[in-house]
Amino acid sequence: EAGVTQFPSHSVIEKGQTVTLRCDPISGHDNLYWYRRVMGKEIKFLLHFVKESKQDESGMPNNRFLAERTGGTYSTLKVQPAELEDSGVYFCASSQGQGPETQYFGPGTRLLVL
Amino acid sequence: GQSLEQPSEVTAVEGAIVQINCTYQTSGFYGLSWYQQHDGGAPTFLSYNALDGLEETGRFSSFLSRSDSYGYLLLQELQMKDSASYFCAVRDRYDMRFGAGTRLTVKP
Repeated sequence: EAGVTQFPSHSVIEKGQTVTLRCDPISGHDNLYWYRRVMGKEIKFLLHFVKESKQDESGMPNNRFLAERTGGTYSTLKVQPAELEDSGVYFCASSQGQGPETQYFGPGTRLLVL
Repeated sequence: GQSLEQPSEVTAVEGAIVQINCTYQTSGFYGLSWYQQHDGGAPTFLSYNALDGLEETGRFSSFLSRSDSYGYLLLQELQMKDSASYFCAVRDRYDMRFGAGTRLTVKP
C-alpha cells in the first residue's frame, strides 16, 4: 500500500512568487491534514479536511494560504504571494475515519523563500 | 489556548534507558500521542494514550496522567538508530497539536 506522498520534495522561490504544494493521502483516508515546521520549532497545525470539506482551518496563518481538496482525494496548498517567513517544511498527513491520533505523514516539502 | 512543553535535547548512551517528558495545557483533551522523526524523514506514529497509565510497545513505553496533564515516552535498551526527534502531540476533538520536539542523541 502506498503511503502519503508529497510533491515537490523541495522548492526554492523568491519572495512574491507563488508556490503550490501537493499531497496525495493514503487511499481511503478521509482525513487529510496540513502542518508546517519552521526549523527547531513545533509541528504547527494548519488545517484539516474531511473528504473535500474543511473541518478546521484555524491554523492557517493568513489569506495568502489557500488549501483545496478536489473531490476528497489529493490536496493542494497554495502560497501566494510567498514571504520569507513562509519558509519551512510542510507536512501532509492522513488518517482513517475513527480519529486523528494515528496519522500517517508524508515526507514533507521543504520550502525556502529567498 | 494550547501549549506543550518537552525538553529540547536529551543525550544518552547505547543500551541505556531514557525518559522524555511532556506537559500540556489544552482545552478538550482526548489523548496524547508520540511521534518519531529521523532527520529529513516523515514523523512516524509511536503510541497513543487516551487513558491514564502505561502502554508498552516493545522497547518503547508511553505514560499518561490526565490529572497532572503530563505524559512521558520511555525508551529502553537504546540503540544508535533511536537517535531522532520525538514529538508529543495532544488530541483535541478533531485534530492533533504538536510540541516542538525533543532531539535524542544516542552515543556509543
